[in-house]
Amino acid sequence: QVQLVESGGGVVQPGRSLTLSCAASGFIFSDYGMHWVRQAPGKGLEWVAVISSNGNNKDYQDSVKGRFIISRDNSDSTLYLQMNSLRGDDTAVYYCAKPHGSGRNDFDSWGQGTLVTVSS
Amino acid sequence: DIQMTQSPSTLSASVRDRVTITCRASQSISSWLAWYQQKPGKAPKLLIYQASNLESGVPSRFSGSGSGTEFTLTISSLQPEDFATYYCQQYNSFPWTFGQGTKVEIK
Repeated sequence: QVQLVESGGGVVQPGRSLTLSCAASGFIFSDYGMHWVRQAPGKGLEWVAVISSNGNNKDYQDSVKGRFIISRDNSDSTLYLQMNSLRGDDTAVYYCAKPHGSGRNDFDSWGQGTLVTVSS
Repeated sequence: DIQMTQSPSTLSASVRDRVTITCRASQSISSWLAWYQQKPGKAPKLLIYQASNLESGVPSRFSGSGSGTEFTLTISSLQPEDFATYYCQQYNSFPWTFGQGTKVEIK
C-alpha cells in the first residue's frame, strides 16, 4: 500500500533554513507529480508546492515563492522541501501528498506530517 | 485565486442524523472538487473526488453533489467515527485551494 513518511521538522529560528523529506513507497513514485500541503496550528489546509513527475516543472504558493524549493530524487523515491528565510507564519504541520492520478491535483494519500516551528 | 467558503463552520449533530455541509467557490470550478475528512492529529483522508465520486473504501453513507460553484457533502446517517473536520478543495485552477473547514461535533 502507499506509504508517505515525512521527516526533518523541528524548531528553527526566524530567517534560518530547514529541509523536509518525504520517503515514498508502495507506488511508482516517478509516475506522479508530488505536492506539499501545510496546516498551521488550529487552522485549515494550505497547498504549498508541486513538482512534476520528472522534476522539471515546479509551482509554489505565492507566500513561499522565492523562499521554498521543492525537489525530488526518483532513484530514491524521495520528495524534498527546502525552506529558506523562514518566518513565524511558516509554523505548521507539513504534509507530503500524492495525487489521485497522474495529472490530477486531488490527493488520495498523505503522510503523517512533520511539524515545523519557527520561533526565536 | 479561487476562494472556497464552507458553511457552517461548526455543526452539532447526533448519531444517525443526516448532515449536509455546503462548499461554495468564488468562480466556476466545473466538477473539480474534493472532500476530505480530518481527525485531530491525523492527516486528511480523501472521501469524495470530482464532486460526486466516492473514494474506494469510503462508506456509502457519504455522498457528494454539485457543479459550477455550489457543492454539498452529505452524511446520510452520522456514525460515532464521523465526528471530525471536513474540508473541500478545488483543483480546477492553480493554486489549489481549500475551504476553511467544517467541524462536526457531538450534540
